[in-house]
Amino acid sequence: KNEVEQSPQNLTAQEGEFITINCSYSVGISALHWLQQHPGGGIVSLFMLSSGKKKHGRLIATINIQEKHSSLHITASHPRDSAVYICAALTQGGSEKLVFGKGTKLTVNP
Amino acid sequence: NAGVTQTPKFQVLKTGQSMTLQCAQDMNHEYMSWYRQDPGMGLRLIHYSVGAGITDQGEVPNGYNVSRSTTEDFPLRLLSAAPSQTSVYFCASSSEGAGETQYFGPGTRLLVL
Repeated sequence: KNEVEQSPQNLTAQEGEFITINCSYSVGISALHWLQQHPGGGIVSLFMLSSGKKKHGRLIATINIQEKHSSLHITASHPRDSAVYICAALTQGGSEKLVFGKGTKLTVNP
Repeated sequence: NAGVTQTPKFQVLKTGQSMTLQCAQDMNHEYMSWYRQDPGMGLRLIHYSVGAGITDQGEVPNGYNVSRSTTEDFPLRLLSAAPSQTSVYFCASSSEGAGETQYFGPGTRLLVL
């Protein structure tokens, strides 16, 4: 069982819909990343958070450390949001190793 | 700034051949790392470095060597390529460690026949 699980694996939405992607982890972590992988393959960092909530434009990331759960929300989704969204956890204990979820493929139709 | 660069973009090798995947960053980042991405597997850490002269193994280090002689460069060496090493390889860097914003290179697609 992967230490970091994402759901759903695939998600199809209509333009304008509110999107939620979930990430849960089974070990204690000190930080969690949300990444976006474009259809062309490039990977960009969206958020890094260790508590609470962060917002950037239409994207919102939340984390509940005690419940071992993080969510990525997209408001007013657009076809250009179509991508694979990946969460990655930094485990506690001084490790400098990230453990990745398998990703959620989002398709937003016009 | 060029950010994180990787060369080559695509490579075909025969089983048993060796090669080096290049990764360089011009942001003076201390932390650099190598990942492989396989269908259905997610990204997996191969090796990482927290500074020049310091490297450590990740989740899947077998068959790969790294060195970090300068802050800018972090090459990944395949000593004797195997078909199981067919994958897309990503290099990433951050200012201090894995808990900082990660900057990824464009990736190298490797096919081992």
